[in-house]
Amino acid sequence: GDSVTQMEGPVTLSEEAFLTINCTYTATGYPSLFWYVQYPGEGLQLLLKATKADDKGSNKGFEATYRKETTSFHLEKGSVQVSDSAVYFCALSDYGANNLFFGTGTRLTVIP
Amino acid sequence: KAGVTQTPRYLIKTRGQQVTLSCSPISGHRSVSWYQQTPGQGLQFLFEYFSETQRNKGNFPGRFSGRQFSNSRSEMNVSTLELGDSALYLCASSPNAGTSYNEQFFGPGTRLTVL
Repeated sequence: GDSVTQMEGPVTLSEEAFLTINCTYTATGYPSLFWYVQYPGEGLQLLLKATKADDKGSNKGFEATYRKETTSFHLEKGSVQVSDSAVYFCALSDYGANNLFFGTGTRLTVIP
Repeated sequence: KAGVTQTPRYLIKTRGQQVTLSCSPISGHRSVSWYQQTPGQGLQFLFEYFSETQRNKGNFPGRFSGRQFSNSRSEMNVSTLELGDSALYLCASSPNAGTSYNEQFFGPGTRLTVL
């Protein structure tokens, strides 16, 4: 079945450091891939998405590239800010489906 | 447009009771999905409703059920509550179904505590 494996946290970085959160997936067919972010006390917000191989999703300085050959969708940001502190979830959905399969989440804390 | 709203935001129940949670999707959205979030199991898909019909279902016992009304609002019900049902229940709405990609918009969740 479909699944997502995500880098375990927590991750603590200093402000302006480089961020990478690894995500790999297992899926049949042609899934769409997502990164969601959850701030304390809130629901999930879509951070970025990619719907086919080699697509690059980007938003707010975050980027992730859909790599079919390595079944990966790693999240990167060149310079993190304190306001980026949150839990990040990698997720996939099958073609045309609305149910998401989530990774376990990675808690990021950015210290000044 | 108003976002996805969920009521109530917090709920405390005791074992054996039942509970109903409500979700109002973004106006015009016809698909509503429900997820359970726990520290141990993470985020898990419960079910999805589209045009008042259950389209997809996750791997949860029959104690978990849902429905959708003609205005797309949805409710989920959990009967005979167990301690392990304590979780954050998230609702997500999506504008349509059947295309290659459907962005889902999440509500703030209902925090259920079972004592």
